[in-house]
Amino acid sequence: DGGITQSPKYLFRKEGQNVTLSCEQNLNHDAMYWYRQDPGQGLRLIYYSQIVNDFQKGDIAEGYSVSREKKESFPLTVTSAQKNPTAFYLCASSIRGGTGNTEAFFGQGTRLTVV
Amino acid sequence: AQSVTQLDSQVPVFEEAPVELRCNYSSSVSVYLFWYVQYPNQGLQLLLKYLSGSTLVESINGFEAEFNKSQTSFHLRKPSVHISDTAEYFCAVSDRTGNTGKLIFGQGTTLQVKP
Repeated sequence: DGGITQSPKYLFRKEGQNVTLSCEQNLNHDAMYWYRQDPGQGLRLIYYSQIVNDFQKGDIAEGYSVSREKKESFPLTVTSAQKNPTAFYLCASSIRGGTGNTEAFFGQGTRLTVV
Repeated sequence: AQSVTQLDSQVPVFEEAPVELRCNYSSSVSVYLFWYVQYPNQGLQLLLKYLSGSTLVESINGFEAEFNKSQTSFHLRKPSVHISDTAEYFCAVSDRTGNTGKLIFGQGTTLQVKP
């Protein structure tokens, strides 16, 4: 089935560690996005990419990094510089980022907890 | 810049009663409008969207939303809710004139349908 796969579903991180969240899509979408969800705050954009080998910071990029080496993959690394990483992370994709009316498809999310 | 305000964080309602989830937005440019639904520990699914044309848009499961440009609102309604409608609902906007496909989300409204 076509869709977006995020892994792992649950992730635990120790203080000071970097962790990488995986996001893979087989929808042949050009644009991919990472959002962070916190209770009562909705979703906030971390990074987005409209084309392979190119990406831009969103509203809360500090402490995060991404890469886009392949069209179908957009991994997110949560670095030790992120002071409050415990959250639910959602990856999304859309056909193209060139227009705002294209529907975004979301993965099932990764819940990251700092222990 | 855009912002979205969902006026109610929680809406409790009895089964088969009508419901309205309120959404107001602020933007200096023209926007597309979306409602997404999220079931517990899952990703977001598109419920309905307003791109152009008729200001009343409908979903396949009985929800509808009306775009009111003068009041900058996009309230979501359903005449008779079911237990299965219990979920979190997010209103979002996307810049018509931009070329990124980024979504700006409201804080979310939890709909609790009681038997």
